[in-house]
Amino acid sequence: DAMVIQNPRYQVTQFGKPVTLSCSQTLNHNVMYWYQQKSSQAPKLLFHYYDKDFNNEADTPDNFQSRRPNTSFCFLDIRSPGLGDAAMYLCATSARLAGSLDTQYFGPGTRLTVL
Amino acid sequence: AQSVTQLGSHVSVSEGALVLLRCNYSSSVSVYLFWYVQYPNQGLQLLLKYLSGSTLVKGINGFEAEFKKSETSFHLTKPSAHMSDAAEYFCAVSEGGSQGNLIFGKGTKLSVKP
Repeated sequence: DAMVIQNPRYQVTQFGKPVTLSCSQTLNHNVMYWYQQKSSQAPKLLFHYYDKDFNNEADTPDNFQSRRPNTSFCFLDIRSPGLGDAAMYLCATSARLAGSLDTQYFGPGTRLTVL
Repeated sequence: AQSVTQLGSHVSVSEGALVLLRCNYSSSVSVYLFWYVQYPNQGLQLLLKYLSGSTLVKGINGFEAEFKKSETSFHLTKPSAHMSDAAEYFCAVSEGGSQGNLIFGKGTKLSVKP
């Protein structure tokens, strides 16, 4: 089945220690998104890639970076995690063609704990 | 700016009872509307969506929603709740012609009592 995969499902890191979360997809979608979801809150968009074009949300902290080496993979890098960065991180994909919109499909998420 | 309001952060129903989860949005342009469900420690699963056409949309697991433009609403219903429906439900909106970014409501946690 075509799907969105996130690894690892659970990640523990130390305060200030860089961490990378991984997302891969077999849907061949041209758009990949990263969301942050804190406990009992709605998902909040951090940034997205439209093909190789990176689109950062205005209020996303500089501490968060992303890489998309190819269509299938996208990474979320947190350079110096703080306690406030503990959250579920959700990856999503969609097929966006010129002038049209398709549905976003989500992965299972990575729950990040910062000690 | 777009916003999504979900009335009631917690809704509790008995098994077999009607489920009604409310969603209102604010937007001055045409919108696309979505309902997602999230089970504990899992990602979001699409329940249903409204892009255009019939305003009554049927989704998975017996859920449906009706788009009412005059009321700027997209309420989610299911005639008979099942224990497996217990989860958190998110309404989301995307403006037509935009980059397709979703704006989510704060979510409604549904509990189902036996």
